[in-house]
Amino acid sequence: DTAVSQTPKYLVTQMGNDKSIKCEQNLGHDTMYWYKQDSKKFLKIMFSYNNKELIINETVPNRFSPKSPDKAHLNLHINSLELGDSAVYFCASSHGRGRTGELFFGEGSRLTVL
Amino acid sequence: GENVEQHPSTLSVQEGDSAVIKCTYSDSASNYFPWYKQELGKRPQLIIDIRSNVGEKKDQRIAVTLNKTAKHFSLHITETQPEDSAVYFCAASWVGMRFGAGTRLTVKP
Repeated sequence: DTAVSQTPKYLVTQMGNDKSIKCEQNLGHDTMYWYKQDSKKFLKIMFSYNNKELIINETVPNRFSPKSPDKAHLNLHINSLELGDSAVYFCASSHGRGRTGELFFGEGSRLTVL
Repeated sequence: GENVEQHPSTLSVQEGDSAVIKCTYSDSASNYFPWYKQELGKRPQLIIDIRSNVGEKKDQRIAVTLNKTAKHFSLHITETQPEDSAVYFCAASWVGMRFGAGTRLTVKP
């Protein structure tokens, strides 16, 4: 039983392309997140949705567009990929709006932009 | 917004020794302070957490202390083992969870 699942696990693409990463959680959580982990291992929050409502939108280029069709799914679409977008993108979920409890992470999606 | 600082960035200890990692946070509204362990190529996983109404919490070889006045919290690992080698992240949370930069712990057998 996978709690938080992301697809694809690996993504290799050329600069300028558009790509999407999908995330699903079966924990019944209300809140979902996207984090970016760069080569130096910094874990930086990008977006958070609570029951399909965007509640956190950090300073992220508008080439990144999250979409939450329902509270169990959170997708990330990236337009016009750049070299600096290469990273591991982690989806996560937690109970409750705002007041965060334990984060449950997906396995990560490693994006390589050539 | 919340800013979390973590030290040291790398830590090397002998098996059996103790390891201490320290973090400070900036937002006094933060009320939840978890610690995550990330092994190479894996996802971060929670190892211990503490809420703002508690000063200390222990779970076998790991313990966390919180000083709300000073806005700092620490992770203590006793009797370290080679399998404790990983990157450890502290975090602070009010609305959304912000992470420290991580500490790479190496336990030498």
